[in-house]
Amino acid sequence: DAKTTQPPSMDCAEGRAANLPCNHSTISGNEYVYWYRQIHSQGPQYIIHGLKNNETNEMASLIITEDRKSSTLILPHATLRDTAVYYCIVRVSSNYQLIWGAGTKLIIKP
Amino acid sequence: DGGITQSPKYLFRKEGQNVTLSCEQNLNHDAMYWYRQDPGQGLRLIYYSQIVNDFQKGDIAEGYSVSREKKESFPLTVTSAQKNPTAFYLCASSKDFLAGVYNEQFFGPGTRLTVL
Repeated sequence: DAKTTQPPSMDCAEGRAANLPCNHSTISGNEYVYWYRQIHSQGPQYIIHGLKNNETNEMASLIITEDRKSSTLILPHATLRDTAVYYCIVRVSSNYQLIWGAGTKLIIKP
Repeated sequence: DGGITQSPKYLFRKEGQNVTLSCEQNLNHDAMYWYRQDPGQGLRLIYYSQIVNDFQKGDIAEGYSVSREKKESFPLTVTSAQKNPTAFYLCASSKDFLAGVYNEQFFGPGTRLTVL
């Protein structure tokens, strides 16, 4: 029972910032927000995670709203290689595992 | 190079046959995981292992079995009891169990199993 809602697909122009939204209105106080991406027919790749504060690493930035009910993953300068399915995951189930939704298919166009 | 290997990339089996999928890691990770992915869907957890000689059922363990006799290896057997075995199978590992929960899991390239 995924606790996240993401748009099924998005387009972005190469070189522009890609902003991927995620709603998680039922998130609990101790649940983290994770982002992974999966390039076609490959294993998923970890991008970033956060709890309350905004986070940034070499791949992306994660902006979490103050009420924690939504977040946005930002790829600052999208390239064609960023075309993938992006998964926003917030639920940690009773056995401490991640529960994955269907994700957002991001297509970067030249 | 450190990483996770899964072999083969594509696997075909006849209905009713058991099949074992390989997963090996040289990252010195304690925890390992098996996921199943169906077309257009996210990953679902089959089994996980926090440490050698230990493993726990995930959300969809029925029809599958695993072993963890060595730290580096976590093979998955898809038995004839699994009603819809055709899927993309992904193995992952993390430094330890809590690292996998609160930080990063590393994934292998996956095995696409087709049962005819």
